[in-house]
Amino acid sequence: KAGVTQTPRYLIKTRGQQVTLSCSPISGHRSVSWYQQTPGQGLQFLFEYFSETQRNKGNFPGRFSGRQFSNSRSEMNVSTLELGDSALYLCASSMIAGSTGELFFGEGSRLTVL
Amino acid sequence: GDSVTQMEGPVTLSEEACLTINCTYTATGYPSLFWYVQYPGEGLQLLLKATKADDKGSNKGFEATYRKETTSFHLEKGSVQVSDSAVYFCALSLSYNTDKLIFGTGTRLQVFP
Repeated sequence: KAGVTQTPRYLIKTRGQQVTLSCSPISGHRSVSWYQQTPGQGLQFLFEYFSETQRNKGNFPGRFSGRQFSNSRSEMNVSTLELGDSALYLCASSMIAGSTGELFFGEGSRLTVL
Repeated sequence: GDSVTQMEGPVTLSEEACLTINCTYTATGYPSLFWYVQYPGEGLQLLLKATKADDKGSNKGFEATYRKETTSFHLEKGSVQVSDSAVYFCALSLSYNTDKLIFGTGTRLQVFP
C-alpha cells in the first residue's frame, strides 16, 4: 500500500512569503503529525491532528499552523517566512494516535528560505 | 524538561564489527522508548521499541533494552553490514494517546567493507 506522501518535495521561498505543505497519510490512518528537522535542532514536534482536531502543539510560534481534512489529509502553513525556517518538514501518520507507537514518515518537504 | 541524549556521530565501523549507540533519557513518568532509522533518501522508519522497564526490543539483528535504573536505551548489533549505514534516532513518548515523540539528535553510522 502507498506510504505517506508529501508535496512538494523541494521548494524555495524568500523571507516574508508564506508556504503551504501537504501530506497524504497511509490509507486508513487517521492521525497525522508534523516535525521540523534541522541540523542544529534535530527533529522537533510541530503539531498533531486526529479526526480534524489538533490534539497537541509543539513550541513553535503562531506563524506555524496546520489543519486536517475529513479524508485525513493534512496541510501545514508557515507565514512570514524567516531564514531560520529553512528545514526538512516531515509528516508522519498512524492509525490511531499512540496506539502502537509506530509512526510512518514521509520523505519530507525541504524548504529553503532565501 | 523531557529530553533524549545520543552519542555524537559519525560512528565509523568495518563490516562485521560490533555496534553500540548510546541513548539516555530524562522524562517524567514512564515513557515508551523507540529507535528510528533514516536510510539515505528515505523517511524515518521504526526500527524497534520498548514500552516498559526491562523490555527488550529487537529487529533486523538490532537490540535495545529499556533500563529504568540508568535511564538508558542503548542500541546494539553484533555484526554490522554496509547496508546498515544510516542515521539512527532514539526517541521517547510520554503518553499512549499521542504521536508526539521527543527525538535525540541522531547518530550517523557509516559501515565500510
